[in-house]
Amino acid sequence: EVQLVESGGGLVQPGRSLRLSCAASGFTFVDYAMHWVRQAPGKGLEWVSGISWNSGNIGYADSVKGRFFISRDNAKNSLYLQMNSLRAEDTAFYYCAKGRLTGTTFFDHWGQGTLVTVSP
Amino acid sequence: AIWMTQSPSLLSASTGDRVTISCRMSQGITNYLAWYQQKPGKAPELLIYGASTLQSGVPSRFSGSGSGTDFTLTISCLQSEDFATYYCQQYSTFPHTFGQGTKVEIK
Repeated sequence: EVQLVESGGGLVQPGRSLRLSCAASGFTFVDYAMHWVRQAPGKGLEWVSGISWNSGNIGYADSVKGRFFISRDNAKNSLYLQMNSLRAEDTAFYYCAKGRLTGTTFFDHWGQGTLVTVSP
Repeated sequence: AIWMTQSPSLLSASTGDRVTISCRMSQGITNYLAWYQQKPGKAPELLIYGASTLQSGVPSRFSGSGSGTDFTLTISCLQSEDFATYYCQQYSTFPHTFGQGTKVEIK
């Protein structure tokens, strides 16, 4: 059974940093692209970032480009999101999502999300 | 970036109704489109990918169609468990984008 477990969320002040992690199990992690998707409370889904199986293809939403950085450790079956210079508008649930394909892809499994709150 | 217009934003319907949700792209994406269902407090779940391929385990009352710039999700006979919010997503290029969502509520 595919499992994706996010961690690292919490309350953080504007301008500070936070690192999210996603622990994956139940599938061959190295074979698939992985993504982060966020959802502000009561709002719609927003794709944040994605990384191909070998980290050779990485993409970011314009809203986070230059502030957020995605990475993966295939030996540890883990996905990360380093979030710097956080803003109030970054407040959201952050979901880790498994791609069906190795590069640009749709998402066939999702974690339960971790809440990031950016507030003074 | 590819812009998406999903409509309607709110759809009031009754059990047994046939409902359709539209998603229009600012440029062609061939068939690189997926549909998701999300219920309150839960993560989204994949319904359809490749514009028309049903994800394993998804009831056959769900169907998708379209290619290029115009896509449609149809629920042929609405069931009580289908009242939820639906999103389209393009995966043709980075940045991937989602539609604004359609909430299907009980009339």
